[in-house]
Amino acid sequence: AQSVTQLGSHVSVSEGALVLLRCNYSSSVPPYLFWYVQYPNQGLQLLLKYTSAATLVKGINGFEAEFKKSETSFHLTKPSAHMSDAAEYFCAVSDSDAGGTSYGKLTFGQGTILTVHP
Amino acid sequence: NAGVTQTPKFQVLKTGQSMTLQCAQDMNHNSMYWYRQDPGMGLRLIYYSASEGTTDKGEVPNGYNVSRLNKREFSLRLESAAPSQTSVYFCASLIWLGGFADTQYFGPGTRLTVL
Repeated sequence: AQSVTQLGSHVSVSEGALVLLRCNYSSSVPPYLFWYVQYPNQGLQLLLKYTSAATLVKGINGFEAEFKKSETSFHLTKPSAHMSDAAEYFCAVSDSDAGGTSYGKLTFGQGTILTVHP
Repeated sequence: NAGVTQTPKFQVLKTGQSMTLQCAQDMNHNSMYWYRQDPGMGLRLIYYSASEGTTDKGEVPNGYNVSRLNKREFSLRLESAAPSQTSVYFCASLIWLGGFADTQYFGPGTRLTVL
């Protein structure tokens, strides 16, 4: 079964500083990987996704993530944090059943709350 | 285009009461999902419907039932609510064509408290 681990339940940065949110995955098949963002009292919104086309994936709002198969990682970065980036971020991996069929299911990490200080 | 809509937005139940959470999507997606979100645990899949007429259990199905009413609507029912079901519930949908996951689109959530 696939699994996702997000290192650090809370990350705090200053405005203008680098944002690094860590995600490691475990998958028995080539993974599809996603980062979603959740603003307070809202649903989840897709930031970016990796579908094996390119290892460096660019998303919305200046975020990007790099797929590293050797490290089983898919860390999310942004060069310069903005106050509006304060939110909870979720890493997710395509799930599949014993027969290898996904049915579109996702397995999510525990989430990382990003705080941005002025 | 409203996307994925959920009703109600908030609900307070007493232990043992029942209720149905409604979800509808207008994107012509074939697959729909129900998740629950609890602090520090991310989102966990309760039930899903890969296509109209099919439903299947996810990671945490106990205490819940679902109905895929038609292609647009997927409801989640709590027959006898328990305090452990206090959570935020999200519905999601996507077009699944037999490959691996494409983008799931999420509703705004239902915040449920069971006393």
